[in-house]
Amino acid sequence: SAVISQKPSRDICQRGTSLTIQCQVDSQVTMMFWYRQQPGQSLTLIATANQGSEATYESGFVIDKFPISRPNLTFSTLTVSNMSPEDSSIYLCSAQGFGEKLFFGSGTQLSVL
Amino acid sequence: DAKTTQPPSMDCAEGRAANLPCNHSTISGNEYVYWYRQIHSQGPQYIIHGLKNNETNEMASLIITEDRKSSTLILPHATLRDTAVYYCIVRGYSSASKIIFGSGTRLSIRP
Repeated sequence: SAVISQKPSRDICQRGTSLTIQCQVDSQVTMMFWYRQQPGQSLTLIATANQGSEATYESGFVIDKFPISRPNLTFSTLTVSNMSPEDSSIYLCSAQGFGEKLFFGSGTQLSVL
Repeated sequence: DAKTTQPPSMDCAEGRAANLPCNHSTISGNEYVYWYRQIHSQGPQYIIHGLKNNETNEMASLIITEDRKSSTLILPHATLRDTAVYYCIVRGYSSASKIIFGSGTRLSIRP
Protein backbone atom coordinates (compact mmCIF):
# COMPACT_ATOMS: atom_id res chain seq x y z
CA SER A 1 0.00 0.00 0.00
CA ALA A 2 1.02 3.63 -0.47
CA VAL A 3 1.10 6.20 2.30
CA ILE A 4 0.09 9.67 1.20
CA SER A 5 1.03 12.78 3.13
CA GLN A 6 -0.90 15.89 2.33
CA LYS A 7 -0.28 19.37 3.66
CA PRO A 8 -1.51 21.62 4.93
CA SER A 9 -4.21 19.62 6.68
CA ARG A 10 -6.33 22.73 6.98
CA ASP A 11 -6.11 26.43 6.24
CA ILE A 12 -8.20 29.55 6.45
CA CYS A 13 -7.56 31.95 3.60
CA GLN A 14 -8.67 35.35 2.48
CA ARG A 15 -10.68 35.92 -0.65
CA GLY A 16 -8.50 36.59 -3.71
CA THR A 17 -5.43 34.76 -2.45
CA SER A 18 -4.02 31.42 -3.59
CA LEU A 19 -3.14 28.25 -1.69
CA THR A 20 -0.85 25.46 -2.81
CA ILE A 21 -1.52 21.99 -1.44
CA GLN A 22 1.28 19.45 -1.46
CA CYS A 23 0.91 15.70 -1.84
CA GLN A 24 3.81 13.34 -1.15
CA VAL A 25 3.64 9.58 -1.68
CA ASP A 26 6.06 7.23 0.03
CA SER A 27 6.60 5.14 -3.11
CA GLN A 28 6.57 5.64 -6.84
CA VAL A 29 3.07 5.63 -8.27
CA THR A 30 1.71 5.54 -11.78
CA MET A 31 -1.26 7.83 -11.40
CA MET A 32 -2.12 10.73 -9.12
CA PHE A 33 -5.50 12.42 -8.93
CA TRP A 34 -6.96 15.44 -7.18
CA TYR A 35 -10.50 15.50 -5.82
CA ARG A 36 -12.71 18.09 -4.19
CA GLN A 37 -15.35 17.32 -1.60
CA GLN A 38 -17.77 20.08 -0.76
CA PRO A 39 -19.56 19.98 2.59
CA GLY A 40 -21.97 17.05 2.79
CA GLN A 41 -21.22 15.96 -0.76
CA SER A 42 -19.44 13.14 -2.50
CA LEU A 43 -16.00 13.46 -4.07
CA THR A 44 -15.61 15.21 -7.41
CA LEU A 45 -12.59 14.52 -9.59
CA ILE A 46 -10.74 17.72 -10.46
CA ALA A 47 -7.91 16.40 -12.59
CA THR A 48 -5.37 13.71 -13.27
CA ALA A 49 -1.85 14.84 -12.47
CA ASN A 50 0.41 13.59 -15.24
CA GLN A 51 4.11 13.20 -14.57
CA GLY A 52 6.13 15.50 -16.79
CA SER A 53 3.18 16.92 -18.70
CA GLU A 54 0.11 19.06 -18.25
CA ALA A 55 -2.66 17.76 -16.04
CA THR A 56 -5.89 16.44 -17.55
CA TYR A 57 -8.86 18.38 -16.19
CA GLU A 58 -12.44 17.23 -15.77
CA SER A 59 -15.36 19.20 -17.08
CA GLY A 60 -15.91 22.30 -15.01
CA PHE A 61 -12.32 22.64 -13.84
CA VAL A 62 -9.67 24.73 -15.60
CA ILE A 63 -5.93 25.09 -15.33
CA ASP A 64 -6.02 28.80 -14.57
CA LYS A 65 -8.07 28.16 -11.45
CA PHE A 66 -6.49 24.87 -10.35
CA PRO A 67 -2.92 24.65 -11.68
CA ILE A 68 -1.35 21.27 -10.95
CA SER A 69 2.24 20.17 -11.02
CA ARG A 70 3.73 16.70 -10.91
CA PRO A 71 7.48 16.93 -11.24
CA ASN A 72 8.19 13.27 -10.40
CA LEU A 73 6.52 9.95 -9.57
CA THR A 74 6.00 10.68 -5.87
CA PHE A 75 4.96 14.33 -5.60
CA SER A 76 2.22 16.64 -6.83
CA THR A 77 0.81 20.03 -5.97
CA LEU A 78 -2.60 21.59 -6.49
CA THR A 79 -3.02 25.35 -6.32
CA VAL A 80 -6.39 26.91 -5.70
CA SER A 81 -6.08 30.36 -7.28
CA ASN A 82 -7.91 33.60 -6.68
CA MET A 83 -10.03 31.97 -4.01
CA SER A 84 -13.63 32.79 -3.21
CA PRO A 85 -15.87 31.42 -0.45
CA GLU A 86 -17.26 28.92 -2.98
CA ASP A 87 -13.85 27.22 -3.00
CA SER A 88 -14.28 26.21 0.64
CA SER A 89 -14.02 22.44 0.48
CA ILE A 90 -11.89 19.49 1.36
CA TYR A 91 -9.25 18.81 -1.30
CA LEU A 92 -7.96 15.24 -1.51
CA CYS A 93 -4.93 13.81 -3.23
CA SER A 94 -4.99 10.19 -4.36
CA ALA A 95 -2.46 7.86 -5.91
CA GLN A 96 -2.36 4.52 -7.61
CA GLY A 97 0.65 2.28 -7.57
CA PHE A 98 1.26 -0.71 -9.77
CA GLY A 99 -1.77 -2.55 -8.42
CA GLU A 100 -5.39 -1.71 -8.88
CA LYS A 101 -6.11 0.14 -5.64
CA LEU A 102 -6.37 3.86 -5.23
CA PHE A 103 -5.08 5.34 -1.98
CA PHE A 104 -6.08 8.69 -0.53
CA GLY A 105 -4.50 11.31 1.63
CA SER A 106 -6.38 12.63 4.62
CA GLY A 107 -7.28 15.82 2.80
CA THR A 108 -6.87 19.57 3.14
CA GLN A 109 -9.79 21.40 4.69
CA LEU A 110 -9.91 24.85 3.12
CA SER A 111 -12.04 27.70 4.38
CA VAL A 112 -12.15 30.94 2.41
CA LEU A 113 -13.38 34.08 4.14
CA ASP B 1 -17.64 5.47 -17.08
CA ALA B 2 -20.59 3.36 -16.00
CA LYS B 3 -22.85 4.78 -13.32
CA THR B 4 -23.88 3.19 -10.06
CA THR B 5 -27.01 3.52 -7.96
CA GLN B 6 -26.99 3.05 -4.20
CA PRO B 7 -29.55 3.69 -1.47
CA PRO B 8 -28.75 6.98 0.26
CA SER B 9 -28.80 5.50 3.75
CA MET B 10 -29.07 2.24 5.67
CA ASP B 11 -28.76 1.13 9.21
CA CYS B 12 -27.73 -2.11 10.82
CA ALA B 13 -27.52 -3.49 14.34
CA GLU B 14 -24.07 -3.97 15.80
CA GLY B 15 -22.87 -7.55 15.41
CA ARG B 16 -25.17 -8.28 12.50
CA ALA B 17 -24.21 -8.52 8.84
CA ALA B 18 -24.54 -5.30 6.88
CA ASN B 19 -25.54 -5.86 3.27
CA LEU B 20 -25.05 -2.84 1.01
CA PRO B 21 -26.53 -3.10 -2.48
CA CYS B 22 -25.32 -1.42 -5.64
CA ASN B 23 -26.83 -1.32 -9.09
CA HIS B 24 -24.53 -0.97 -12.10
CA SER B 25 -26.72 -2.10 -14.97
CA THR B 26 -24.60 -0.39 -17.67
CA ILE B 27 -21.32 -2.02 -16.64
CA SER B 28 -19.21 -3.24 -19.52
CA GLY B 29 -17.27 -6.47 -19.74
CA ASN B 30 -13.86 -5.11 -18.75
CA GLU B 31 -15.02 -2.94 -15.85
CA TYR B 32 -14.42 -3.83 -12.23
CA VAL B 33 -16.64 -3.13 -9.25
CA TYR B 34 -14.82 -1.32 -6.45
CA TRP B 35 -15.98 -0.45 -2.97
CA TYR B 36 -14.55 2.33 -0.85
CA ARG B 37 -15.70 3.83 2.39
CA GLN B 38 -15.19 7.21 3.97
CA ILE B 39 -15.28 7.60 7.70
CA HIS B 40 -16.02 11.13 8.83
CA SER B 41 -13.16 13.59 8.24
CA GLN B 42 -10.90 11.00 6.64
CA GLY B 43 -9.90 10.18 3.07
CA PRO B 44 -11.69 7.26 1.41
CA GLN B 45 -10.43 3.79 2.26
CA TYR B 46 -10.28 0.90 -0.18
CA ILE B 47 -12.38 -2.10 0.85
CA ILE B 48 -12.56 -4.64 -1.96
CA HIS B 49 -12.97 -5.04 -5.70
CA GLY B 50 -14.01 -7.73 -8.16
CA LEU B 51 -14.74 -8.48 -11.79
CA LYS B 52 -17.03 -11.51 -12.01
CA ASN B 53 -16.42 -13.84 -9.12
CA ASN B 54 -17.31 -13.25 -5.54
CA GLU B 55 -14.44 -11.91 -3.48
CA THR B 56 -13.62 -11.97 0.21
CA ASN B 57 -10.92 -10.30 2.25
CA GLU B 58 -10.35 -9.46 5.88
CA MET B 59 -12.76 -6.53 5.71
CA ALA B 60 -15.70 -7.68 3.64
CA SER B 61 -17.19 -9.90 0.99
CA LEU B 62 -18.32 -8.81 -2.45
CA ILE B 63 -21.11 -10.67 -4.20
CA ILE B 64 -21.55 -9.87 -7.90
CA THR B 65 -24.61 -11.19 -9.74
CA GLU B 66 -24.09 -13.46 -12.70
CA ASP B 67 -25.18 -10.78 -15.17
CA ARG B 68 -22.88 -8.30 -13.32
CA LYS B 69 -25.61 -5.69 -13.22
CA SER B 70 -25.61 -5.46 -9.46
CA SER B 71 -23.50 -6.33 -6.46
CA THR B 72 -23.68 -6.46 -2.68
CA LEU B 73 -21.00 -5.56 -0.19
CA ILE B 74 -21.25 -7.61 2.99
CA LEU B 75 -19.71 -6.58 6.29
CA PRO B 76 -20.14 -9.85 8.20
CA HIS B 77 -20.17 -8.55 11.77
CA ALA B 78 -20.76 -4.81 11.76
CA THR B 79 -19.25 -2.71 14.53
CA LEU B 80 -19.73 0.93 15.45
CA ARG B 81 -16.47 1.68 13.67
CA ASP B 82 -18.08 0.63 10.39
CA THR B 83 -20.28 3.71 10.46
CA ALA B 84 -19.28 5.51 7.25
CA VAL B 85 -20.33 6.44 3.74
CA TYR B 86 -19.82 3.50 1.39
CA TYR B 87 -19.15 4.10 -2.28
CA CYS B 88 -19.69 1.56 -5.05
CA ILE B 89 -17.64 2.45 -8.14
CA VAL B 90 -17.27 0.90 -11.55
CA ARG B 91 -13.90 1.31 -13.14
CA GLY B 92 -12.05 0.13 -16.21
CA TYR B 93 -9.15 -2.28 -15.91
CA SER B 94 -6.48 0.16 -17.03
CA SER B 95 -4.54 1.87 -14.27
CA ALA B 96 -5.21 5.10 -16.11
CA SER B 97 -8.95 4.70 -15.61
CA LYS B 98 -10.49 7.35 -13.44
CA ILE B 99 -12.40 6.62 -10.26
CA ILE B 100 -15.65 8.55 -10.30
CA PHE B 101 -17.56 8.64 -7.03
CA GLY B 102 -21.35 8.53 -6.86
CA SER B 103 -23.37 9.67 -3.91
CA GLY B 104 -22.79 6.54 -1.80
CA THR B 105 -24.71 4.93 1.05
CA ARG B 106 -24.49 6.35 4.54
CA LEU B 107 -24.37 3.30 6.83
CA SER B 108 -25.25 3.78 10.47
CA ILE B 109 -24.52 1.01 12.96
CA ARG B 110 -26.78 1.07 15.99
CA PRO B 111 -25.65 -0.41 19.32
